[in-house]
Amino acid sequence: DSGVTQTPKHLITATGQRVTLRCSPRSGDLSVYWYQQSLDQGLQFLIQYYNGEERAKGNILERFSAQQFPDLHSELNLSSLELGDSALYFCASSSTNSPLHFGNGTRLTVT
Amino acid sequence: EDQVTQSPEALRLQEGESSSLNCSYTVSGLRGLFWYRQDPGKGPEFLFTLYSAGEEKEKERLKATLTKKESFLHITAPKPEDSATYLCAVQPFVSGGSYIPTFGRGTSLIVHP
Repeated sequence: DSGVTQTPKHLITATGQRVTLRCSPRSGDLSVYWYQQSLDQGLQFLIQYYNGEERAKGNILERFSAQQFPDLHSELNLSSLELGDSALYFCASSSTNSPLHFGNGTRLTVT
Repeated sequence: EDQVTQSPEALRLQEGESSSLNCSYTVSGLRGLFWYRQDPGKGPEFLFTLYSAGEEKEKERLKATLTKKESFLHITAPKPEDSATYLCAVQPFVSGGSYIPTFGRGTSLIVHP
């Protein structure tokens, strides 16, 4: 068990809808990362937060946004969903000089 | 741009048949190289961090090594429970401290009994 908790495990929704994915990092970790994993792209970095502030952005679409709250949990919001957004979304957390530890992901299916 | 290439994409071994997985990388400055194991439907599980050429790390049947351009994950006498996808990632030195790892696409390993 990595200590990173993601909810929900599965999400099925229709095109055009909006969903929120939630992540609780390991105790003591200030950094939260979001990655998207699809069969043809591998693990793609979306965004990083550190202690409530955005630290780095990757290939995150404008339809996607995230935030990290004072209790350090994070949410990834996906809106105007398209079929191509179907993927596994992983959250990871880390502390200074430590590797990333991943949750078990949220599988999003857009129909 | 940081790049990570893993080979082979897929590998089938018989139980006890040792082999190696390759991770070739290009990065402006390497802060660390990570190996992860990922089981179907699960998140990547951390295995090793390597920091400098010549470094080696071992865990049970796995040994990771690092050169200036590639890393190898050696699997000695594998068992069926070693079946998984193995991911390699490089973490660059970046001013400002946002050390974002770039992942390879992984090697899918199947070990037959």
